[in-house]
Formats: sequence, C-alpha cells, structure tokens
Amino acid sequence: EAGVTQSPTHLIKTRGQQATLRCSPISGHTSVYWYQQALGLGLQFLLWYDEGEERNRGNFPPRFSGRQFPNYSSELNVNALELEDSALYLCASSLEDRGNTIYFGEGSWLTVV
Amino acid sequence: GNSVTQMEGPVTLSEEAFLTINCTYTATGYPSLFWYVQYPGEGLQLLLKATKADDKGSNKGFEATYRKETTSFHLEKGSVQVSDSAVYFCALSQGGSEKLVFGKGTKLTVNP
Repeated sequence: EAGVTQSPTHLIKTRGQQATLRCSPISGHTSVYWYQQALGLGLQFLLWYDEGEERNRGNFPPRFSGRQFPNYSSELNVNALELEDSALYLCASSLEDRGNTIYFGEGSWLTVV
Repeated sequence: GNSVTQMEGPVTLSEEAFLTINCTYTATGYPSLFWYVQYPGEGLQLLLKATKADDKGSNKGFEATYRKETTSFHLEKGSVQVSDSAVYFCALSQGGSEKLVFGKGTKLTVNP
C-alpha cells in the first residue's frame, strides 16, 4: 500500500513568487495535515484538512493557504514567498480526527532565493 | 496548551551503548504519545506509540512507557547501532485542533 506521497521533492523559487506543494494521503485517510520544518525551529503545525474542509490552522500568516480535493489529496500554497519560508514541508494523513496515528510523507524541500 | 519537552542534543554514543532520550509532556486529559524518527534527508517515520497510561510501545529494539504519574514517555534502547543515527521527535496527540504537538527533536549520532 502506498504511503503519503508529496511532490515536488525539491522546489526553488525566488522571493515574491508563489509555491504550490501537493500531497496524496494514504488510501482511505480523510485527514491531511501540513507541517513546516524550518532549520532550527522544529516542526510547526500549519494546516489541517478533513473531508474537504479546513479544520484548523497554525500560527502562520494568510499567505499560507491550501485546500483539500474530493479525492482527499491536498495542496499547500505559499504566496509572496520570503526567504524565511525556506523549509521542509511535510504532509501527513490519518484516518480521522480521533487520535489515530498520523503518517508522514517524505516532504518537499522549498528553497527561496 | 499542550506541549512536549525533550532533552536537547546532540547525543553522541558508541555502538552498543545504552540510549535514553527523555520526554515529558503537558496536556489535559489523556493524550496519545508517539516517538517519530527522521533519518538524514528523509521525512518522519513513526517509531512507536502508546495510547494510554502504562502502555509500552516498542519497535526495532526501542521502547517507551507511558507514565502518567510523571507525565513522561522516555525512549530507550539497550544497544544502539550506527544505523540508529537520526533525529528523534517525541509527540503527543489529543485529537483536537493541534493534532500532533512535537518536541524540538534530539539528534543522535552513533559512532562505530
């Protein structure tokens, strides 16, 4: 069974541009989460989607947004990129919002120059 | 709010040494507790978990016991290998708005 898959693996953008990252959850999982892992800052919760709805977001500005599609895959969009947005973006999925185990993808490395 | 505190690294051990990485948590109610591992250049992998007090999670020789009285979930391994070199994250989940709350991670390096 395929795990959580993310694309692209690496992305290089210039300051001010927009970046789009994609995630496919494990088959049958309805919840998708996005985390940012910036150097020296640990893992920060970004967004949580379930059944196509945004359920919660972390302490990030509105230029971080996303959506979940009917097939439960998800996109993370980052507008007006700043150098500080350079990080590993991890997507994760779980069966439902009941404390079930959350499984992570390999991540997408975003570099802003 | 919920939080996780784990020992700061880096931790450097020789092969076959005993490993302990301390983790304590703050949460209301009864969270589920997890250890995730991140090998160099990779995403996070679930290492083990425990969902209620006194549960012991184990995998690949690693163990951690959910201690409600001390709000701890320390990771242990009796004999580490070079291949265990990675960053280890303690985390909790309470099925609420934040989902997984992570500690800052502990980098382990095992030398031959």
